[in-house]
Amino acid sequence: QSALTQPPAVSGSPGQSVTISCTGTSSDVGVHNSVSWYQQPPGTAPKLIIYEVSNRPSGVPDRFSGSKSGNTASLTISGLQAEDEADYYCSLYTPTSTLVFGGGTKLTVL
Amino acid sequence: QITLRESGPTLVKPTQTLTLTCTFSGFSFRRSGVGVGWIRQPPGKALEWLALIYWNDDKIYSPSLKNRLTITKDTSKNQVVLTMTNLDPVDTATYYCAHGQRHYHFLTGYWPLIDYWGRGTLVTVSS
Repeated sequence: QSALTQPPAVSGSPGQSVTISCTGTSSDVGVHNSVSWYQQPPGTAPKLIIYEVSNRPSGVPDRFSGSKSGNTASLTISGLQAEDEADYYCSLYTPTSTLVFGGGTKLTVL
Repeated sequence: QITLRESGPTLVKPTQTLTLTCTFSGFSFRRSGVGVGWIRQPPGKALEWLALIYWNDDKIYSPSLKNRLTITKDTSKNQVVLTMTNLDPVDTATYYCAHGQRHYHFLTGYWPLIDYWGRGTLVTVSS
């Protein structure tokens, strides 16, 4: 069982915004900024889309944004597109647990 | 352009040892801060962190699997090898290798940012 809790599934229509949460504790997400988000379309390898809570690697559209409040990190995708349909995973590194992934969230674009 | 490719057996028997090789290009262990790690994903399930090795031979292991894992590197060949002992059917998964760049934050210390992934290789554990 993952130490980072994500909703199993979210959905939205094209053009809408969706937010995926990643909840930890005051000892991990609440303290550390080593939060990353990965996008994994079906049958492919994960791709980094957000690192250090809110930074986007070059080439990632600015429709993807990250934030953190308290013990919860969030990924927001605005202006949903059909190509955004994928599984999304958060991850966090702490000195105690090393690297931990969330359970993943399946995004469906209606 | 960073690329990574996993290789190894597709079928392993229970109790056997798995040896996987990651061959990469586009970066080198001769550069400070570079790391290569392994992550796995059972069919239909979430990602699970396994291990990472840095340019300076520092290693990070998953606390829950560290007793079964060994990670090594060959700088001249641009390769990283992961061995996992005493395999069980629950170890059936796609195994990914990935590039990890060392970052620093004053609250966390040094930590690896996993930024480029290989395509993965499916390993099935079955008798």
